[in-house]
Amino acid sequence: NAGVMQNPRHLVRRRGQEARLRCSPMKGHSHVYWYRQLPEEGLKFMVYLQKENIIDESGMPKERFSAEFPKEGPSILRIQQVVRGDSAAYFCASSPSEGTYEQYFGPGTRLTVT
Amino acid sequence: GQNIDQPTEMTATEGAIVQINCTYQTSGFNGLFWYQQHAGEAPTFLSYNVLDGLEEKGRFSSFLSRSKGYSYLLLKELQMKDSASYLCAVRSLEYGNKLVFGAGTILRVKS
Repeated sequence: NAGVMQNPRHLVRRRGQEARLRCSPMKGHSHVYWYRQLPEEGLKFMVYLQKENIIDESGMPKERFSAEFPKEGPSILRIQQVVRGDSAAYFCASSPSEGTYEQYFGPGTRLTVT
Repeated sequence: GQNIDQPTEMTATEGAIVQINCTYQTSGFNGLFWYQQHAGEAPTFLSYNVLDGLEEKGRFSSFLSRSKGYSYLLLKELQMKDSASYLCAVRSLEYGNKLVFGAGTILRVKS
């Protein structure tokens, strides 16, 4: 029973490039959450998606960041024109439904902007 | 996180008991979670409380008092592998039912 998968695990981008982070939820899970974690800080909610729908993007910066969860394929978090401040660990979590209390986390993608 | 407070760091001795506290302020409370996160790894679920009282699961227990906005995670018979960050997270209607995490408590277990 594969867990939440994220790739790449490490990503290096130069300032101004685009970063694409992928998340495949656990089998049977239709709810995906993205979080950002800066060094020595807690997890900050970014966006909550169901298949083909953004449910809550209140934690997402208004510019340069976007997320999608298509009918087929993984959820993608996209950061355009990256800046050094985007360097962080980005975690994806999934759950089978909104009412289910437990979110299962993927291993994270560590983004470094040089 | 928003109005979620937990100590930054704690140190305890192998074999001992440690209690990590978490206080929160929110309206429409709908559950409190504890996660463990080792350095460089994903958070893993430890416990969930939505009603007052103590939930026990092996060496780990979690307590909740909704009226006081207070929870604690109790770790017994500490092992070196328990050295990690422990994250308290709250779900509430105020937050749109998403999880809001505290900054985490780094626990160091010494021999």
